[in-house]
Amino acid sequence: EPEVTQTPSHQVTQMGQEVILRCVPISNHLYFYWYRQILGQKVEFLVSFYNNEISEKSEIFDDQFSVERPDGSNFTLKIRSTKLEDSAMYFCASSSGRDGTQYFGPGTRLLVL
Amino acid sequence: EDQVTQSPEALRLQEGESSSLNCSYTVSGLRGLFWYRQDPGKGPEFLFTLYSAGEEKEKERLKATLTKKESFLHITAPKPEDSATYLCAVLSSNTGKLIFGQGTTLQVKP
Repeated sequence: EPEVTQTPSHQVTQMGQEVILRCVPISNHLYFYWYRQILGQKVEFLVSFYNNEISEKSEIFDDQFSVERPDGSNFTLKIRSTKLEDSAMYFCASSSGRDGTQYFGPGTRLLVL
Repeated sequence: EDQVTQSPEALRLQEGESSSLNCSYTVSGLRGLFWYRQDPGKGPEFLFTLYSAGEEKEKERLKATLTKKESFLHITAPKPEDSATYLCAVLSSNTGKLIFGQGTTLQVKP
């Protein structure tokens, strides 16, 4: 069964450093998403991406964040200068259509020290 | 503002003791309601999608139902392996993002 994969599973970084989180969505999906979940809190939307551009972003997704689809399979989230409050689980998701089910990856646990 | 509220926050059941989880929502035009299961430290695992009031979906011991204001996830004769956090999320007509509830953490004791 096709699945969304994410790397790395864990990342520890120092405040102010750049991190890149990587995702391989399900191969025939066209819509891509990043969500995050701070420990003990709700899953919250960051950004959606379709047709090689951002289609929607939340207020969390400020200038420190960027997304890219560098090739036909990968989808990345970059945080330029990490803050302590960026520590969270980051989930990538993909769907075949705008109203379709979003399938989530296993997540990357980011810890900013 | 679109909102999703789940209750109870936590639920403890004995193996075989059936129960229901509630998801109440307020959205400006529902395009879909989704149930996910999340194990500790893992990503949400898709269970069901419901699109219109009156719709029902079933999978093993789980059954999801939808009305115009809420959804229920019924668990029949649960087993310890059903222990997890169950998340409800909605897709509204204004947006392509999922809006999640805070989840119900279910513990099933043998």
